Amino acid sequence: RKEVEQDPGPFNVPEGATVAFNCTYSNSASQSFFWYRQDCRKEPKLLMSVYSSGNEDGRFTAQLNRASQYISLLIRDSKLSDSATYLCVVNPGYPSTGNQFYFGTGTSLTVIP
Amino acid sequence: SAVISQKPSRDICQRGTSLTIQCQVDSQVTMMFWYRQQPGQSLTLIATANQGSEATYESGFVIDKFPISRPNLTFSTLTVSNMSPEDSSIYLCSVPGTEAFFGQGTRLTVV
Repeated sequence: RKEVEQDPGPFNVPEGATVAFNCTYSNSASQSFFWYRQDCRKEPKLLMSVYSSGNEDGRFTAQLNRASQYISLLIRDSKLSDSATYLCVVNPGYPSTGNQFYFGTGTSLTVIP
Repeated sequence: SAVISQKPSRDICQRGTSLTIQCQVDSQVTMMFWYRQQPGQSLTLIATANQGSEATYESGFVIDKFPISRPNLTFSTLTVSNMSPEDSSIYLCSVPGTEAFFGQGTRLTVV
């Protein structure tokens, strides 16, 4: 079983739509969770960390469900500039920062005018 | 936070040759990771580079094909040896912290 699994999509949504991505992780003891954004031909960049209580940053909301071991990302009022691949990332060992990060396969989002 | 300078950003190489990718970090870090991202795929960990010891390779990756150096706590190199078209990929170095920090990536095309 993979450490992190997510639906690869692609998701094609119109501007202004709300879209949600989910991913699941296998290690129940995992401590830290992230959503990264990767634009075509670029390195992944942190979009937001995911906290147990859930957190929001503008149009983006991240949720963590420890009981079900899944993480979600909700994007409201989609913009053309949101088109990218969104990677679900888990670090089982943080705050032991020496541990590697595990990446999902990424979910491709295209926002259509 | 960590800032990582990775080079080259891209290269086109002949099969059978080797390419060395460098990553320089602006602070001392214990571990550095090397990833491969094949077209349309997510990141696959190649190896963990530890200063002062041999790199630790993941299943499917071997030192003869991907030798790694880690001469100090701020620098590492990954060599892709005896390249074939199947090695065409993006190679990324990364360091862990409160998040995963990445170099800009090296886009390798083998012809």
